[in-house]
Amino acid sequence: DIQLTQSPSFLSASVGDRVTITCRASQGINNYLDWYQQKPGKAPKLLIYTASTLESGVPSRFSGSASGTEFTLTISSLQPEDFATYYCQQLKTYPLTFGGGTKVEIK
Amino acid sequence: EVQLVESGGGLVQPGGSLRLSCAASGFTFSRSWMSWVRQAPGKGLEWVANIKEDGGDNYYVDSVKGRFTISRDNAKNSLFLQMNSLRAEDTAVYYCARYVRSHPHYYMDIWGEGTTVTVSS
Repeated sequence: DIQLTQSPSFLSASVGDRVTITCRASQGINNYLDWYQQKPGKAPKLLIYTASTLESGVPSRFSGSASGTEFTLTISSLQPEDFATYYCQQLKTYPLTFGGGTKVEIK
Repeated sequence: EVQLVESGGGLVQPGGSLRLSCAASGFTFSRSWMSWVRQAPGKGLEWVANIKEDGGDNYYVDSVKGRFTISRDNAKNSLFLQMNSLRAEDTAVYYCARYVRSHPHYYMDIWGEGTTVTVSS
């Protein structure tokens, strides 16, 4: 199975901060990597697919990039509504797998 | 309105069975792969199963193989998850999601609000 290691698992940040979350795959996944945002008690919401394509309706402060087996989600200027947990997911091979999540909290 | 609505969750004893349903609307269900994803209390997301548009191809995470069956009724725009031999570790919120496969893009873009399954005596 392909393992996805997210870091950090928790981060504390302020409104306006630039935030970077990393997801490292245990083997090559050809950019078949998506990012989701989840708020407490709610379903996940797709933010980025295929490593860097912004889902329709998602603010442009969210961006994704890839370098080999390392993937990055960046929030350029953190907004109050962005405090949530973020997950990466690989869709290269079954079983599809998620990273462990990164919880972004208010400093 | 594009929507997925899950139902069928509840409290069940270990070894018991439960059938989850997911009603789809607002998109062409019969042309969509579908997924089940679960989340144990306080834990992360775990993909459970996928089913092809015509139901002819299914995939499962190892921990549910032989116990869970994903199926669909395209005439009724409905997705199902039959869960047998339930264990305490199956306790979770179960989400259904549309799984888009449009090479080279693969993603889950529509999600239901989830239904809660609790396995306990």
